[in-house]
Amino acid sequence: DQQVKQNSPSLSVQEGRISILNCDYTNSMFDYFLWYKKYPAEGPTFLISISSIKDKNEDGRFTVFLNKSAKHLSLHIVPSQPGDSAVYFCAASYTGNQFYFGTGTSLTVIP
Amino acid sequence: EAQVTQNPRYLITVTGKKLTVTCSQNMNHEYMSWYRQDPGLGLRQIYYSMNVEVTDKGDVPEGYKVSRKEKRNFPLILESPSPNQTSLYFCASSKTSGRWETQYFGPGTRLLVL
Repeated sequence: DQQVKQNSPSLSVQEGRISILNCDYTNSMFDYFLWYKKYPAEGPTFLISISSIKDKNEDGRFTVFLNKSAKHLSLHIVPSQPGDSAVYFCAASYTGNQFYFGTGTSLTVIP
Repeated sequence: EAQVTQNPRYLITVTGKKLTVTCSQNMNHEYMSWYRQDPGLGLRQIYYSMNVEVTDKGDVPEGYKVSRKEKRNFPLILESPSPNQTSLYFCASSKTSGRWETQYFGPGTRLLVL
């Protein structure tokens, strides 16, 4: 059973606008959440993370929000750039050894 | 250059023919892990290793074996591959195990089992 879900397989956004990618999880034990970005023919690369003791973490154009009561996290990219076009995976862990990934959202930023 | 390498990058094989996908990292990382990526299922963890001679099952270990005899290498073994193991495989490593450590992924190995 999928413990981490990304319900939007794809998202298209105009360059300069905000991209919002969503992720839901079912396991309340998860206490650490990550976002990875993946280009075709490459492995995923780490983007940003958040601990369950926080509700927001920022890194440049990227901000992750965590709503523990709703078991929901989101990644905001502002402003979106064409180079942000990629597949984004959210992931969660509570042991630090096992990681559970979502199904991915393919983001297209239109110039 | 710090990297995780996987070989081969592409492999076509037949059901039942044993194969090994190698993974090597040059960052002296303690933690290594294998994932498979399938359409509609995302990445799923197969096995992980916290250090030499320490391995444990992930979410989908059935049909796979691993070994960690050296720190830098973490091969994935399919003793008797079946078509449902056709997938894109990723190896990853991090400095130690733990939530706060960034995992570095290899470029992937695309496997087709006929």
